[in-house]
Amino acid sequence: DIQMTQSPSSLSAFVGDRVTITCRASQTITKYLNWYQQKPGEAPKLLIYAASSLQSGVPSRFSGSISGPDHTLTISSLQPEDSAIYYCQQSYSFPRTFGQGTRVEIK
Amino acid sequence: QVQLRESGPGLVKPLETLSLTCTVSGGSISGGSHYWTWIRQPAGKGLEYIGRIYSSGRGSTNYNPSLKGRVTISLDTSKNQFSLRLSSVTAADTAVYYCARDGSYCGGDCHSYDYWGQGNLVTVSS
Repeated sequence: DIQMTQSPSSLSAFVGDRVTITCRASQTITKYLNWYQQKPGEAPKLLIYAASSLQSGVPSRFSGSISGPDHTLTISSLQPEDSAIYYCQQSYSFPRTFGQGTRVEIK
Repeated sequence: QVQLRESGPGLVKPLETLSLTCTVSGGSISGGSHYWTWIRQPAGKGLEYIGRIYSSGRGSTNYNPSLKGRVTISLDTSKNQFSLRLSSVTAADTAVYYCARDGSYCGGDCHSYDYWGQGNLVTVSS
């Protein structure tokens, strides 16, 4: 199985801050990486697919990128409604696997 | 707008079989090159892929080997539903179970979970 490791596990930032979450796979997954946002009591919501493609309806402050072995989710200007847990997920091979999650809190 | 809704018992006894159904509305379950997936999440923990079934043809399946052959996912196109059966459950199977559409993107090259049900909490306890 491909292991997905996210960092940090949690972060706290101010409204308007730029926030970055990193995900690294235990083997190469190229562009086959998705990002989800999960709020308490809700199902996850797709934000980014194929590493950098913004899902329809998702605010443009969310973006995804690849740099070497690392995939990155960036929130360019953190908003109060962005308080949530963020998960990466690889779709390169089976079984599909998720990162352990990054909790984003608003200061 | 595609919508998914899980249904099934919230309590299952140890060693019995967990059965859940996902009803899809707003589109045909057999339309398009999509897969229909089950994912679970124990309380306060991360997400675990259970398995998926293809939307048409013979409905090919893929299961997570960690579940050791206890999983069966099936499709009922006449009811626009797909189902999960997990046998010989233990307390470790207690979780919120989500159904989701594994949507096909990038001309079929990429896949992501683009529509989700609200989740169904299943507790394994005697």
